[in-house]
Amino acid sequence: QKEVEQNSGPLSVPEGAIASLNCTYSDRVSQSFFWYRQYSGKSPELIMSIYSNGDKEDGRFTAQLNKASQYVSLLIRDSQPSDSATYLCAVKTGTGRRALTFGSGTRLQVQP
Amino acid sequence: NAGVTQTPKFQVLKTGQSMTLQCAQDMNHNSMYWYRQDPGMGLRLIYYSASEGTTDKGEVPNGYNVSRLNKREFSLRLESAAPSQTSVYFCASTGGQGTDTQYFGPGTRLTVL
Repeated sequence: QKEVEQNSGPLSVPEGAIASLNCTYSDRVSQSFFWYRQYSGKSPELIMSIYSNGDKEDGRFTAQLNKASQYVSLLIRDSQPSDSATYLCAVKTGTGRRALTFGSGTRLQVQP
Repeated sequence: NAGVTQTPKFQVLKTGQSMTLQCAQDMNHNSMYWYRQDPGMGLRLIYYSASEGTTDKGEVPNGYNVSRLNKREFSLRLESAAPSQTSVYFCASTGGQGTDTQYFGPGTRLTVL
């Protein structure tokens, strides 16, 4: 079982719709959770971080965390073609080293 | 403020050749990381350095060595390149108390023939 799992997609949504991206993780002591966006040929850039159960909103983006279900999600409201990218879920597991474990990413396509 | 920089951007090697990938950050971060990214496999940690003077193996360290030259610079060396090391390599850094957010460099696209 992978430590961080994501559906590879592609997830295709029409412009203006809500895109829902999901991620599950295996380490129950995971503390910090991140969503990165990666355009083709570019480096990952941080969209959201979330540390506590519940929702965290930032503009059109909402991250949701449920530690009991070991599940984190990213909602993108009013999706735009410029949101088309691969979205990487990352988890900091346990204590000690501060490296992140990444999922393989979900490719999102927003259709104009 | 350039953030995290990497050189070179592209490199083609022949099997058995050696090279060093350079990474520098100007954010005064303590921790630095090297990842490789292969299609469909996400980012995998090669080595990391929690602070100046320390380095530790990550998930896929075989075939690589690292040097944390000073607080700013963290280099990755391939002593004898193999086709399996064809990948995109990203350097990242993290700093400050209470934050695990990683900031990435632009990447090095390496092809080993």
